[in-house]
Amino acid sequence: DQQVKQNSPSLSVQEGRISILNCDYTNSMFDYFLWYKKYPAEGPTFLISISSIKDKNEDGRFTVFLNKSAKHLSLHIVPSQPGDSAVYFCAASEDNDMRFGAGTRLTVKP
Amino acid sequence: NAGVTQTPKFQVLKTGQSMTLQCAQDMNHNSMYWYRQDPGMGLRLIYYSASEGTTDKGEVPNGYNVSRLNKREFSLRLESAAPSQTSVYFCASTPGFAEAFFGQGTRLTVV
Repeated sequence: DQQVKQNSPSLSVQEGRISILNCDYTNSMFDYFLWYKKYPAEGPTFLISISSIKDKNEDGRFTVFLNKSAKHLSLHIVPSQPGDSAVYFCAASEDNDMRFGAGTRLTVKP
Repeated sequence: NAGVTQTPKFQVLKTGQSMTLQCAQDMNHNSMYWYRQDPGMGLRLIYYSASEGTTDKGEVPNGYNVSRLNKREFSLRLESAAPSQTSVYFCASTPGFAEAFFGQGTRLTVV
């Protein structure tokens, strides 16, 4: 039973526009949420995180929003760049148990 | 600064063979993880270790065993490999309540 869900397998956006990646979770005990980026043949690399006591965290072009009542988080990338093309995973953690979604493949077209 | 190192990078096994995947981190992290990545399934947690001497099951522990040998090393053992265990395996570590650092992965094929 997957506790973290990314329902969009792929997303395509134009360079310069906003990319919005979504993630839902079922376990209300998750208290830390993260986004990772992955290129082929490499391990995932950390992008941005948010604690359950916050509803927004920003780092440059990347912003993560958390809606605890809806058990939903999203990653906004503005403006999107071709180098952002990769698979994005959301993750949620309770104590040391960290679960991942299935990933969304983002393609940013020049 | 090596981070998380996994060995081997590639492995082909015959059904029924056993092997151990090795993982070591040099960041003095408390928590370590093993995940498998399959198409359309994302990263699924096999086992994790919150600290030296402790291990816990994740989502898909069947067919695997782990050992947290010391704070640096966390190994994953397949006792009798099956084709369903063909996957890419990732080891990760984290100091706790922070981002995890991943290794480069082990691509395992069971024929």
